Amino acid sequence: DIQMTQSPSSLSASVGDRVTITCRASQGISNFLAWYQQKPGKVPKLLIYAASTLQSGVPSRFSGSGSGTDFTLTISSLQPEDVATYYCQKCNSASWTFGQGTKVEIK
Amino acid sequence: EVQLVQSGAEVKKPGESLRISCTGSGYTFTNYWINWVRQMPGKGLEWMGRIDPSDSDGNYSPSFQGHVTISADKSISTAYLQWSSLKASDTAMYFCARRTKFDSFYPMDVWGQGTTVTVSS
Repeated sequence: DIQMTQSPSSLSASVGDRVTITCRASQGISNFLAWYQQKPGKVPKLLIYAASTLQSGVPSRFSGSGSGTDFTLTISSLQPEDVATYYCQKCNSASWTFGQGTKVEIK
Repeated sequence: EVQLVQSGAEVKKPGESLRISCTGSGYTFTNYWINWVRQMPGKGLEWMGRIDPSDSDGNYSPSFQGHVTISADKSISTAYLQWSSLKASDTAMYFCARRTKFDSFYPMDVWGQGTTVTVSS
């Protein structure tokens, strides 16, 4: 089974900072990768799919890149409302595994 | 409005059985897989498995195969997650989420509100 590993597990950054989260697949998954945001006590929300396509309505400060085994989610200018846990998910083949999550906080 | 509405919170004892539900509305139910996702207290998201409501064909994560059963009744646009014998370790929030069958890249876009399951003696 393909494993998805995110780093870091948590980070603290200042408002306006550029934030980057990494997701690595144990085998190549082309660009079958999605990113979700889950705010405390809320339902997960789709941010990005196909590794780099922004879901409708998602602010343009969010972006995704990568293909194969290495992917990144970037927040270009961190805002207070971005405090959340972010998850990657592989979307190909039989099992659609999530990464373990990256918790983003404001410094 | 497209939505998935899940059944209410459950409190059960170890060894009891349970079935929770997820009802879709506002879209063609059989055009989307229904997925189930577990979130244990303070932990991350875990994909459990999915079902195609059109033919009830299902796939399970190896971690959940044999521990739960996913089913669906397309006549009432409802999917189910069930346990035959609950354990304390099944205590978690369970989400359902849909994914289109017609775009390999498009993931789970609409989620239910979650069902809390508490298993305690």
